[in-house]
Amino acid sequence: EVQLLESGGGLARPGGSLRLSCAASGFTFETYGMSWVRQAPGRGLEWVSGISPSGDRTDYADSVKGRFTIFRDSSKNTLNLQMNRLTIEDTAVYFCAKEGWNESFDYWGQGTLVAVSS
Amino acid sequence: SYVLTQPPSVSVAPGKTATITCGGDDIGTKSVHWYQQKPGQAPVLVIYADTIRPSGIPERFSGSNSGNTATLTFSRVEAGDEADYYCQVWDRVSDHLYVFGPGTTVTVL
Repeated sequence: EVQLLESGGGLARPGGSLRLSCAASGFTFETYGMSWVRQAPGRGLEWVSGISPSGDRTDYADSVKGRFTIFRDSSKNTLNLQMNRLTIEDTAVYFCAKEGWNESFDYWGQGTLVAVSS
Repeated sequence: SYVLTQPPSVSVAPGKTATITCGGDDIGTKSVHWYQQKPGQAPVLVIYADTIRPSGIPERFSGSNSGNTATLTFSRVEAGDEADYYCQVWDRVSDHLYVFGPGTTVTVL
């Protein structure tokens, strides 16, 4: 059974940093692309960042480029998101998602809440 | 960047058929995926690659895609189908490579 379990969310000040992690199990982690998708309170889904199976390619939404860094550790089956220079607009539930056929997301974690507030 | 449009809300009576549209420029040339999200829960993939149901998704759910509109349809609507539904595509030139529609809230009357 595929499981994705996020951690690392919490309260941060504007300009601060947080690191999110996603522990993956139930599939061959190193053969699938992974992404982070966020959802601000009462809003829709927004793709944030993605990484290739080998980790050699990373992509970011313009809204986080230069501030967020995605990376993966295949020895620990873990996906990570380093978030720096946080702003109030980064407040959201952050989901870890496994890439499926045709760039869909076939499995999602339960999400971790990031709240940025002074 | 590539933009997807969805109606904000759809209401349907139990036992009837619900239809949700997803509009985008020449979306028929893209692969469209649909997600169901219930309050407080993670999204669940219900249709991928326009028409394919993942394992465990009822046959009541179906999808189509042509021209500038993709459609998610689910028949014999049940109370448990109340949720937000999002369409999604991949667009290599967009500022968000994975583009989501704004979502449609389905209410079962």
